[in-house]
Amino acid sequence: GESVGLHLPTLSVQEGDNSIINCAYSNSASDYFIWYKQESGKGPQFIIDIRSNMDKRQGQRVTVLLNKTVKHLSLQIAATQPGDSAVYFCAERYGGSNYKLTFGKGTLLTVNP
Amino acid sequence: GAGVSQSPRYKVAKRGQDVALRCDPISGHVSLFWYQQALGQGPEFLTYFQNEAQLDKSGLPSDRFFAERPEGSVSTLKIQRTQQEDSAVYLCASSLGQGPPGELFFGEGSRLTVL
Repeated sequence: GESVGLHLPTLSVQEGDNSIINCAYSNSASDYFIWYKQESGKGPQFIIDIRSNMDKRQGQRVTVLLNKTVKHLSLQIAATQPGDSAVYFCAERYGGSNYKLTFGKGTLLTVNP
Repeated sequence: GAGVSQSPRYKVAKRGQDVALRCDPISGHVSLFWYQQALGQGPEFLTYFQNEAQLDKSGLPSDRFFAERPEGSVSTLKIQRTQQEDSAVYLCASSLGQGPPGELFFGEGSRLTVL
């Protein structure tokens, strides 16, 4: 039968704590990055994006940090809420493509009340 | 509706059957994408349309996969002679412009199970 194990990196936090989700991207030529949230049974939902000429961008309760030297991206969620429980994906766009995104494996965030 | 709509939400097919998955993008969105998402994995690019033109089909796994968007709005992804490895969620996404992906709006996906 079908395996139910997701084998995703997981992060479990308490409600109200800050969460940090990390992503290592693959291509040094990537120039645009997006974080998506995917709840069970739904499609990915845009959270925040950042271009490679920036190293930090803030949204509502979320901050994305980009370290091009080590090809690392992180998503910080402040005051994590149970509704934040989901799988989070980073996606990168190679500089040579205007439209194609490559998604990472994803991290499962569980927020405990 | 206001979002990207996909149908059917669930499809069970016997190996060898043909299936067709439909996507209704947000009205006025120029760009339309199909992605395949295996269990526990991130979405993988299949194909990209700009209006009715299929500009990139490099991600289609084989010639059994075919996508069309004849009038620049609704799109259909067809899989012929389905195989077990085709089992996945097929996601459709649209965006307003022709340029950088920006905010892609995804549908809820069509989950295909091939027995």
